[in-house]
Amino acid sequence: NAGVTQTPKFRVLKTGQSMTLLCAQDMNHEYMYWYRQDPGMGLRLIHYSVGEGTTAKGEVPDGYNVSRLKKQNFLLGLESAAPSQTSVYFCASRRGAYSNQPQHFGDGTRLSIL
Amino acid sequence: KQEVTQIPAALSVPEGENLVLNCSFTDSAIYNLQWFRQDPGKGLTSLLLIQSSQREQTSGRLNASLDKSSGRSTLYIAASQPGDSATYLCAVSPPQGGSEKLVFGKGTKLTVNP
Repeated sequence: NAGVTQTPKFRVLKTGQSMTLLCAQDMNHEYMYWYRQDPGMGLRLIHYSVGEGTTAKGEVPDGYNVSRLKKQNFLLGLESAAPSQTSVYFCASRRGAYSNQPQHFGDGTRLSIL
Repeated sequence: KQEVTQIPAALSVPEGENLVLNCSFTDSAIYNLQWFRQDPGKGLTSLLLIQSSQREQTSGRLNASLDKSSGRSTLYIAASQPGDSATYLCAVSPPQGGSEKLVFGKGTKLTVNP
């Protein structure tokens, strides 16, 4: 049981390049989330999804796009990377609404934008 | 807007000591409160989840309490061990919507010295 898997684990980009971060979960969870973690800022929600085919904005959505074409996958895209997007990105999943079950996190993607 | 504060930001204790980590939140209208552990370079691991109707939860040497009216939670760790060294994060979820958009504190970095 792999849980939540994020790929890649590390990436260095140049300003203006694009890339997609992949999150996959094998727990049949309905809800999925993308966070970024920055020193002194804590974890902040970028986008989330409450089911296949749905997405919604979180606290810091600008500069990112997401897609949830399959229930098990949640993709985070950077169309034109900026140095301010240098961060550690975490994906999480959860069973469903009002389940009082905890969120399960992946190990993160460390992204540097030069 | 919900804000979560964790004090202290860092704590260093000798092995075997009992310790308390603090978490406070500004809006008492929460659905649940969760404590997570984060090891360096890793994602978050859920430790305890307290529903808004509960006062405490226990798991092994960990005990978490919740006082909604005062906007406070504590995580008690008994007989601390070097393996407990990690960053501990507190997060609350708002009652509306059911999507559980967690609001995180910035964490307390715990070091247990052998």
